[in-house]
Amino acid sequence: DTAVSQTPKYLVTQMGNDKSIKCEQNLGHDTMYWYKQDSKKFLKIMFSYNNKELIINETVPNRFSPKSPDKAHLNLHINSLELGDSAVYFCASSQDVGGGNEQFFGPGTRLTVL
Amino acid sequence: AQSVTQLGSHVSVSEGALVLLRCNYSSSVPPYLFWYVQYPNQGLQLLLKYTSAATLVKGINGFEAEFKKSETSFHLTKPSAHMSDAAEYFCAVSPGGNLIFGKGTKLSVKP
Repeated sequence: DTAVSQTPKYLVTQMGNDKSIKCEQNLGHDTMYWYKQDSKKFLKIMFSYNNKELIINETVPNRFSPKSPDKAHLNLHINSLELGDSAVYFCASSQDVGGGNEQFFGPGTRLTVL
Repeated sequence: AQSVTQLGSHVSVSEGALVLLRCNYSSSVPPYLFWYVQYPNQGLQLLLKYTSAATLVKGINGFEAEFKKSETSFHLTKPSAHMSDAAEYFCAVSPGGNLIFGKGTKLSVKP
């Protein structure tokens, strides 16, 4: 049983398109995250939601809009895709926002913008 | 602001040799520290974490790390490398609400 799942695993699209990535966790966690991993493997937080409420919004273009319909789901919608958006996007979840909590990661979505 | 620095973007060891991956942190308060591993084309998996309970932390797959406040370090070690340890390793600190990652160290294991 997959703890944190993401769809799709691969996403290839043209510049200017709009796309969404879906994330679901079945761990009963309160907090979910989106991270971006660039081509040099550097990982950076994008957003964090706790009980469907946005708690972290890093310096991310407003073309990126997260949506949390319930605390088990955190989707990422990207408008007007640009070449620089090509990366691997990871969803993660943790019990709550406490600093000592393990975060469980999904398998990642590799986005390629042509 | 909290941060971590991983020394060495690439470490290569022979199978059976000691693995040492270095991580130094910057934090004005006692930090929560983590080591995660990423195998090729996969997500991240927790190896171990420090949450101030004990300075020597044992993790999965034979890895351990020692928290040294005087050196602001949290180096990851394994006595004997196995081919299956080849992966990317990330040190991270958590101020609460998210993880702040180092740039990662790629571990190669030679037969």
